[in-house]
Amino acid sequence: QQQVKQSPQSLIVQKGGISIINCAYENTAFDYFPWYQQFPGKGPALLIAIRPDVSEKKEGRFTISFNKSAKQFSLHIMDSQPGDSATYFCAATAGSSNTGKLIFGQGTTLQVKP
Amino acid sequence: GAGVSQSPRYKVAKRGQDVALRCDPISGHVSLFWYQQALGQGPEFLTYFQNEAQLDKSGLPSDRFFAERPEGSVSTLKIQRTQQEDSAVYLCASSLQAIHGQFFGPGTRLTVL
Repeated sequence: QQQVKQSPQSLIVQKGGISIINCAYENTAFDYFPWYQQFPGKGPALLIAIRPDVSEKKEGRFTISFNKSAKQFSLHIMDSQPGDSATYFCAATAGSSNTGKLIFGQGTTLQVKP
Repeated sequence: GAGVSQSPRYKVAKRGQDVALRCDPISGHVSLFWYQQALGQGPEFLTYFQNEAQLDKSGLPSDRFFAERPEGSVSTLKIQRTQQEDSAVYLCASSLQAIHGQFFGPGTRLTVL
């Protein structure tokens, strides 16, 4: 059962533009939502994360918007740069489960054109 | 060390061979996770350790997969009698506690011929 759905599968953005990646989840027990960035041949790197008690979190050019009622969250990359070209994964976990296992989306391949 | 390290980085095995993959977590991290990442997919959870205790192994695909963390630090994922469908990148992650952000290693790319 796929619990986290991510879209789009791929995204092409011009340098300086805004990249937007969306995720939807099913399990209302999820209470921690991180985003990971992965370059080819590397492990995923934690980018930014949010908990459902806030609707938005911003760190530099990266912003997470969270809609608890719709069970959706999104990553916005402002002023996108060619160095941002990578695969992005949203994820979710239920802290109450005490295992912290992450459920990942399918990934979005972002290409930022110079 | 500064981050999570994994070895070997690449492993080629013939079908039926046993393999052992090693993970060195960040020092002091209590929680350790193993994930399997198929080509073009997101990582999928395999198993979780809190110190030396394996608290969740619900993601292990078969009894050919076995993981251990005997002293609560280094962990080994063992796959017996490897099959072609085991070909994937195996990722290890660690965190201070289960509820905190997980930091991933570079992964071991396993290819079963």
